[in-house]
Amino acid sequence: AQSVTQLGSHVSVSEGALVLLRCNYSSSVPPYLFWYVQYPNQGLQLLLKYTTGATLVKGINGFEAEFKKSETSFHLTKPSAHMSDAAEYFCAVNPSGNTPLVFGKGTRLSVIA
Amino acid sequence: ETGVTQTPRHLVMGMTNKKSLKCEQHLGHNAMYWYKQSAKKPLELMFVYSLEERVENNSVPSRFSPECPNSSHLFLHLHTLQPEDSALYLCASSQDLGGTYSGANVLTFGAGSRLTVL
Repeated sequence: AQSVTQLGSHVSVSEGALVLLRCNYSSSVPPYLFWYVQYPNQGLQLLLKYTTGATLVKGINGFEAEFKKSETSFHLTKPSAHMSDAAEYFCAVNPSGNTPLVFGKGTRLSVIA
Repeated sequence: ETGVTQTPRHLVMGMTNKKSLKCEQHLGHNAMYWYKQSAKKPLELMFVYSLEERVENNSVPSRFSPECPNSSHLFLHLHTLQPEDSALYLCASSQDLGGTYSGANVLTFGAGSRLTVL
């Protein structure tokens, strides 16, 4: 069975600092990987996704993630945090096949002025 | 309106009440989903509909009853709920099911209905 582990339920960074949100997955086949963001009182929206090709994926709002097969990781990064980045971030995976997305538990990002 | 709209945004109900959550999508999508979001737990997929036909039911208790009258509307009927059913219920849609499962297309979520069961 697929699983997604997001290390750290809460991450706090200073404004302007590097954001690093960790995601590891278990998969017996090369998966499709996603990051979604949920702002307060809103639904989830897609930040970025990896399906095939280049392993460094760029998303919206300056976020990017790198697929590392050897480490089974898909960590999300942003060079400089902004106050508006405060939200809950979800990593999700699905293998190539007829199965729906499996989500991680989420990481809440706080940005301190 | 565009996107995925959920009503009501907040609902408080007693354990003996019957209520319904409504979801409407204006995207021309063919697949719709109900998810349950509880604190400190991964999103739980409850039901999946493709072209108004239920294709997935993830061992959800019968006190939750979905209905999909057409490809634009999805309901979740609630009756005799328990306090542990209190959660944020998210509706989502995608262009089609196969594309979502293959990773080719993505889910568009509504803002959710916050349910509190007393």
